[in-house]
Amino acid sequence: DIQMTQSPSTLSASVGDRVIITCRASQSISSWLAWYQQKPGKAPKLLIYKASTLESGVPSRFSGGGSGTEFTLSISSLQPDDVATYYCQRYNSHPYTFGRGTKLEIK
Amino acid sequence: EVQLVESGGGLVQPGGSLRLSCAASGFTFSDYWMHWVRQAPGKGLVWISRINTDESSTSYVDSVKGRYTISRDNARNTLYLQMNSLRAEDAAVYYCARGNSNYHILTGYYHYMDVWGKGTTVTVSS
Repeated sequence: DIQMTQSPSTLSASVGDRVIITCRASQSISSWLAWYQQKPGKAPKLLIYKASTLESGVPSRFSGGGSGTEFTLSISSLQPDDVATYYCQRYNSHPYTFGRGTKLEIK
Repeated sequence: EVQLVESGGGLVQPGGSLRLSCAASGFTFSDYWMHWVRQAPGKGLVWISRINTDESSTSYVDSVKGRYTISRDNARNTLYLQMNSLRAEDAAVYYCARGNSNYHILTGYYHYMDVWGKGTTVTVSS
């Protein structure tokens, strides 16, 4: 199975900072990658699909990039509401593997 | 409003069975693939299973193959997950999610999860 490796596992940044989370696939997955945000005690929420397409209603400070095996999720100006755990997920084939998550905190 | 509501979780003994349900509303349920995803306490998300629109195709993660069965009733707008031979490691919050699709002209459809329920908790303990 294709494995998804996210880094870092924890990230602490200040309000207004630019934040980048990386996700690497063990084999090419083309652009079939999604990013989800999960706040404590809540269900995951779709942020980005097809590596770089922003889901409707998601703030434009979120952006995704990459293809093949290297992907990024960027937040252009970190806001307090962005405190959450972020997961990447491949959906090119079964099983639809998630990364282990990146916990984002405010300094 | 597009909504998914899971139910059926609870406490079950190791080796026992449980059936989860996911009631869909606000969209044409029969047009969408559906998924189950679980999350053990303090752990990450794990994709469990998916079903296509007419139940002709299903898929499972290896750890639940032969024990779990996904199904759907399009007339009732409901997704199910039958879980048998439950183990302690199956304890988790179980989420249902709607599969939306991207289309590639050469390779077909690819499904990501765009709507999620709030989850139902399964506890496996004697």
